[in-house]
Amino acid sequence: EVQLVESGGGLVQPGGSLRLSCAGSGFTFSSYEIYWVRQAPGKGLEWVSYISGSGSSIYHADSVKGRFTISRDNAQNSVYLQMNSLRAEDTAVYYCARDPVIGADYFDSWGQGTLVTVSS
Amino acid sequence: EIVMTQSPATLSVSPGERATLSCRASQSVGSKLAWYQQKPGQAPRLLIYGAYTRATDIPGRFSGSGSGTEFTLTISSLQSEDFAVYYCQQYSHWPPWTFGQGTRVEIK
Repeated sequence: EVQLVESGGGLVQPGGSLRLSCAGSGFTFSSYEIYWVRQAPGKGLEWVSYISGSGSSIYHADSVKGRFTISRDNAQNSVYLQMNSLRAEDTAVYYCARDPVIGADYFDSWGQGTLVTVSS
Repeated sequence: EIVMTQSPATLSVSPGERATLSCRASQSVGSKLAWYQQKPGQAPRLLIYGAYTRATDIPGRFSGSGSGTEFTLTISSLQSEDFAVYYCQQYSHWPPWTFGQGTRVEIK
């Protein structure tokens, strides 16, 4: 069974940093692209970051570019989202997601999400 | 960036009735359109990909149609478990991968 489990969320002050983790199991982790998608309270879904299976290709949404960095450790079956210079508008549930096959670019497996709250 | 616009924002439907949700793309996405269902406190669930292909274990009452810039998700006979928020997502031109703002299907 494919599983994605996020961790690392919490309360952080504006300007602070946080690192989220996404642990995968039940599939050959290094073969799959991983995405981060967030959802602000009561709002819709927003794609945040993408990393290819090898880690050689990375994209970030304009709203987080220069502040967030995605990376992966395939030996640990994990993807990370380093979030710096956090703002109130980054408050959201952060989901990691996977596409069903390489290059599908839609998301058939999602984690349960981890809540990030940016507040003083 | 491709902007996805869903309508209506809220749809009030009685159980057993048909629900029709719309999604419009600001430019053609071909058939690279997915639909997701999200219930409170849960992660989104993939319903439809390729504009009309049902994902694994999705009931036949869910169907997708359209191509280019106009898409529709139809729920033929609403069940109690179908009351949720539905999102469309384009995956034709990326980055960014973009979602619509969602349609809430509520009990009438």
